Formats: sequence, C-alpha cells, structure tokens
Amino acid sequence: GNSVTQMEGPVTLSEEAFLTINCTYTATGYPSLFWYVQYPGEGLQLLLKATKADDKGSNKGFEATYRKETTSFHLEKGSVQVSDSAVYFCALTNAGNNRKLIWGLGTSLAVNP
Amino acid sequence: ETGVTQTPRHLVMGMTNKKSLKCEQHLGHNAMYWYKQSAKKPLELMFVYSLEERVENNSVPSRFSPECPNSSHLFLHLHTLQPEDSALYLCASSQDASGTSGMGEQFFGPGTRLTVL
Repeated sequence: GNSVTQMEGPVTLSEEAFLTINCTYTATGYPSLFWYVQYPGEGLQLLLKATKADDKGSNKGFEATYRKETTSFHLEKGSVQVSDSAVYFCALTNAGNNRKLIWGLGTSLAVNP
Repeated sequence: ETGVTQTPRHLVMGMTNKKSLKCEQHLGHNAMYWYKQSAKKPLELMFVYSLEERVENNSVPSRFSPECPNSSHLFLHLHTLQPEDSALYLCASSQDASGTSGMGEQFFGPGTRLTVL
C-alpha cells in the first residue's frame, strides 16, 4: 500500500543553519508529493508540491525535488529563521483519487535565535 | 472572512454532552473533509463530502456524526464521546478533481481543540 516515512523529530537548529527533513514514500503508479506546514495554533498549509519525477517544488526559500529513483522528496532550506519553527508534514496522493492524502507523522522544527 | 474557518477553536465537554463543530469554507470548493489530529499519530481522515454527498467514512465510531447542508458548510456532531477522542479536529476543503491529475491540494482550517473529560 501507499505510505510516507519522515525523519523523526524534533529537529533543533540555530538561525541561519541549513535544514533537511527527509521524506521517503511507497506508492503504486505516479503519486503527487506535498509538503505541508503547521505553525503553532494553526491548521496545515500547503508549502510546496511536485507532480512528476524530477520536478522541484519551491516556496518561501524551501525546496524539495521529486526523486523517483530513490522514492524521496526531502525538504531543504539554506538558511532557517525563527519564524520557520513549525511542524512539517510530507504527504502524497495517487492520480485519480485526490481526496485521499497519505500523511507522514510530521517533523517538529525548532529554530533558536 | 477568507479561507476555511472553524468554530469553536476550543471545546471542553463531558462524556454525556452533545456538541457540534462547525466549518465554513469561502473558497468555492466542492469537497470538504474532517480530520482528527492526535499526538504521535498520522493525520486520520474521518469523513469526506463531495458535492454535499458523503463519499468516505473511514470506520469512524457512530458517536461522530457529520452533516454537510451545502458546499460551504460542514458540521461534526458529537455525543457520548470518550476521553480518547480528545484531539485537534481539522476541517479542510478542496476542488474535487478525481479522475484527472489528482492534485490533492487541500486547504485547512485552524482546527478545534477538543478535550473530553
């Protein structure tokens, strides 16, 4: 079946550090891949997405590349800020059933000044 | 109001109470969702409505009863809940595009933090 595995948190970084949050997936066919972010006290927001192999999603300085050969969609940011402190969720859907998002457990990120 | 709103933001109820959670979306979407978010567990999809018709019910206990009177509003009626039902309940909406490219982009409300005593 379809599944998403994220690195366990919490991740604690200093401001301006480089961030990587690993995400790997198992899916049949050609899934679309997403990163959602949940800031404290809020619901989830779509951060970025990629719909086919080698696509790179990017937003707010974050990037992730859809790697079919390694079934990965790692999230990266070159220089994190305190305001990036949040929980990050990797997710996928398979074509034809966009109702069902398959979620990772989430990775908590804390950025210290 | 824009996006997806949920009320109340916090709710404390006893096991014998009856309460309702409300969700409203202002995005013109045609699909709405209820999720349960508990610590250390993946997001659990509870119910999906598409064009006001329930299309998924993921083995949710009958003490949770959804209602979708129109494409902009979604309710979750609660009765005789258990302490393990304490969680963050999230509402989401999307433009349902099943059968096409399956983009899966859902827009979430801020959630209702439910505590069952």
